[in-house]
Amino acid sequence: EVQLLESGGDLVQPGGSLRLSCAASGFTYSSYAMSWVRQAPGKGLEWVSGISDSGDITHYADSVKGRFTISRDSSKNSLYLQMNSLRAEDTAVYFCARRYYYASGSYEVKAFDSWGQGTTVTVSS
Amino acid sequence: EIVLTQSPGTLSLSPGERATLSCRASQSVSSGYLVWYQQKPGQAPRLLIYAASSRATGIPDRFSGSGSGTDFTLTISRLEPEDFAVYYCQHYGYSPPYTFGQGTKLEIK
Repeated sequence: EVQLLESGGDLVQPGGSLRLSCAASGFTYSSYAMSWVRQAPGKGLEWVSGISDSGDITHYADSVKGRFTISRDSSKNSLYLQMNSLRAEDTAVYFCARRYYYASGSYEVKAFDSWGQGTTVTVSS
Repeated sequence: EIVLTQSPGTLSLSPGERATLSCRASQSVSSGYLVWYQQKPGQAPRLLIYAASSRATGIPDRFSGSGSGTDFTLTISRLEPEDFAVYYCQHYGYSPPYTFGQGTKLEIK
């Protein structure tokens, strides 16, 4: 059974830092690209950052670029999100998600097929 | 960036009725990139439909997806009590950002 378990969420002051972790199990972690998706209180879903299966390609939403860093450790089956210079608008539940990918020629199929339960980050003084 | 607009914002129906949820993209997208998720309060999203019309593993056949280009639809043929939730469409495209619609809340009438 695929399991993703986030941790590291906390209450932090504006300008502070936090590191989120996502422990993966039940699948060959090194074969899957992964992402972080967040959800502010009472709001919709926002893709935050993604990393390739090998870890050599990373992407960020404009809202977090330059402040957040995504990384992974395949020896530990873990995904990380280092969050610096935190702002009130970063307050959200952060989910890690696994990418499903299929391609046939130039036709690609993508989706987030497994999600963790989320970890809560609150940025407030 | 692809902007997805979902309608209606809230849909009030009774169990047994048919639900039709819309997702409109700001420009034409490949159907391979159009995804639907269900989210219940306090839970993570769950994958329902990928590639616009393919049901994910374990999803009942009362859920179906359709559409192409800029207009996509999620249909629930006969609502069960457990179907009342928030539904999001997503464009998981060739390159980021991977945008979500604002969601449609399906509530019991």
